[in-house]
Amino acid sequence: GAVVSQHPSRVICKSGTSVKIECRSLDFQATTMFWYRQFPKQSLMLMATSNEGSKATYEQGVEKDKFLINHASLTLSTLTVTSAHPEDSSFYICSAREGRVGNSPLHFGNGTRLTVT
Amino acid sequence: RKEVEQDPGPFNVPEGATVAFNCTYSNSASQSFFWYRQDCRKEPKLLMSVYSSGNEDGRFTAQLNRASQYISLLIRDSKLSDSATYLCVVMRGATDKLIFGTGTRLQVFP
Repeated sequence: GAVVSQHPSRVICKSGTSVKIECRSLDFQATTMFWYRQFPKQSLMLMATSNEGSKATYEQGVEKDKFLINHASLTLSTLTVTSAHPEDSSFYICSAREGRVGNSPLHFGNGTRLTVT
Repeated sequence: RKEVEQDPGPFNVPEGATVAFNCTYSNSASQSFFWYRQDCRKEPKLLMSVYSSGNEDGRFTAQLNRASQYISLLIRDSKLSDSATYLCVVMRGATDKLIFGTGTRLQVFP
């Protein structure tokens, strides 16, 4: 079945550094990928929609200059957390839609647990 | 008002019990609805889509009430392995963005 690979699964970094998270669709092409963030005991919050070949669209309250998204190919989207701070520590999950129809399956990566010290 | 609202629980039920979760959504233009399951510190996994006429998958039954903007999930004959957080998910309006509820935690005990 369709698989979304997310890397790294866990990262610890120092405050002020940048961290890049990759999301790959392994056996299908994804024109759209979504990035979510989940704080402990809270639900997934949509951060942004990543569109292949165009700029990402960000949800209200999400800083586009802090969370840089690049969707350079139909199988890869990256999220870079720039100048990370401890409050950015969270579980980041990407998802990719298989197919273009609105209710086609959405496949999730395994998530990246970011800890900023 | 949140786009998708759920009772966070937890619901603690014995094995074999029937349990129901409810969810409301605010955008009347929403067309697609889902229930996802999330185990602790893992990514969410699709449990089932929710169709207008209601649908059943084994022990799981999902219902949609568009007039009330309300979705439900019924689990019959609960198993220990059903213990997880159940996320109500709505596709926002006419977009393809999935919006998650806060989740309802279910704990099934022996």
